Amino acid sequence: GDSVTQMEGPVTLSEEAFLTINCTYTATGYPSLFWYVQYPGEGLQLLLKATKADDKGSNKGFEATYRKETTSFHLEKGSVQVSDSAVYFCALSDRDGGFKTIFGAGTRLFVKA
Amino acid sequence: DTGVSQDPRHKITKRGQNVTFRCDPISEHNRLYWYRQTLGQGPEFLTYFQNEAQLEKSRLLSDRFSAERPKGSFSTLEIQRTEQGDSAMYLCASSLSGERSEAFFGQGTRLTVV
Repeated sequence: GDSVTQMEGPVTLSEEAFLTINCTYTATGYPSLFWYVQYPGEGLQLLLKATKADDKGSNKGFEATYRKETTSFHLEKGSVQVSDSAVYFCALSDRDGGFKTIFGAGTRLFVKA
Repeated sequence: DTGVSQDPRHKITKRGQNVTFRCDPISEHNRLYWYRQTLGQGPEFLTYFQNEAQLEKSRLLSDRFSAERPKGSFSTLEIQRTEQGDSAMYLCASSLSGERSEAFFGQGTRLTVV
């Protein structure tokens, strides 16, 4: 079945550092890919998405590119802020899975001032 | 529309009791999903509805769990004879039926079984 694997955390960075969180997926169909973020004490929010190969999703300075050849969707940000401290989830959904969203285990990011 | 809302936000119950949670999706969304999230893990799929039809149930959904969406709008998730292992955050999400539509999540109901 479909699955998502993302790098284990926690990831600890200083403010203004470059962020990469790796994500790879396995899917039988042609999935849409997502990054969700969960800030402390809040619900899951969609951060960005990409629906076809080579699409780049972007939001709030975060970017991720849908790489079909490497089945990856790595999250990047050029300069993190303390307010980016949260848990980040890579996810996918596809027709073969009934369009339910399948999540990775999450990566916790701590950004120090 | 204020998004997906869930009620209650927190529930503490004694082992063996029944509990019921409610989810109100975004009004034009015809798909509704239930997930369970435990500490340090990503949300795990439980079940989903297209309008009032329950189309898929995970193996995680034991026969003590039942979900309904009687009129294709709000949904309820009931857990009978709760066990300590049921303690988790229960998340509801909704989406449009388009192939590339993302799911929007509620704040969740945190269940503690004591």
